[in-house]
Amino acid sequence: QITLKESGPTLVKPTQTLTLTCTFSGFSLSTSGVAVGWIRQPPGKALEWLALIYWDDDKRYSPSLKSRLTITKDTSKNQVVLTMTNMNPVDTATYYCAHSVAVQDWFDTWGQGTLVTVSS
Amino acid sequence: SSELTQDPAVSVALGQTVRITCQGDSLRNYYATWYQQKPGQAPIFVIYGKNNRPSGIPDRFSGSNSGNTASLTITGAQAEDEADYYCSSRDNSGNHWVFGGGTKLTVL
Repeated sequence: QITLKESGPTLVKPTQTLTLTCTFSGFSLSTSGVAVGWIRQPPGKALEWLALIYWDDDKRYSPSLKSRLTITKDTSKNQVVLTMTNMNPVDTATYYCAHSVAVQDWFDTWGQGTLVTVSS
Repeated sequence: SSELTQDPAVSVALGQTVRITCQGDSLRNYYATWYQQKPGQAPIFVIYGKNNRPSGIPDRFSGSNSGNTASLTITGAQAEDEADYYCSSRDNSGNHWVFGGGTKLTVL
């Protein structure tokens, strides 16, 4: 059974850097084809894809946020970390991590999400 | 274009059939995935690929594709189907993902 759980601060100040950790079980990011992505959702708004990392350390970023995002993995800890620099109140959202596979276009299992509020 | 367009809201009478649509250039090259999201919950995928349902998704959910439009059809909508529905696909580069703006489904 695949599970993912997001963790990180619930409140960050404007201009600060956000660091979120996705801790997962039921699969390994060293297995060929596996990927983990991040998606966010501002309150009452739509989902927005942010980034994705593959088992071979290949990375993909949202073109509109690429300059602010970094995604990394720690295979030994079964974790994926997303950092987002220069946080702004418009970045207030629930942040989800999700499992995928390279040959598929969908995210088949999602974490519960973590709400991050950006406010001074 | 890397955008997917959905109607903001749709309603259906209990037991009737409803179609939710999603339009975008990337859908000419990639199948849409449909996600269901209920209040306070994470999304779950209900349709993927050409027209596939994950385990546990009722067979009243089906998907179809034509040109730049993908559709999610619920045949015999139930009260528990009331939710937000999002379509998603890769963009035309194949290297990024995009989501539609979501459709709020109300079951009357």
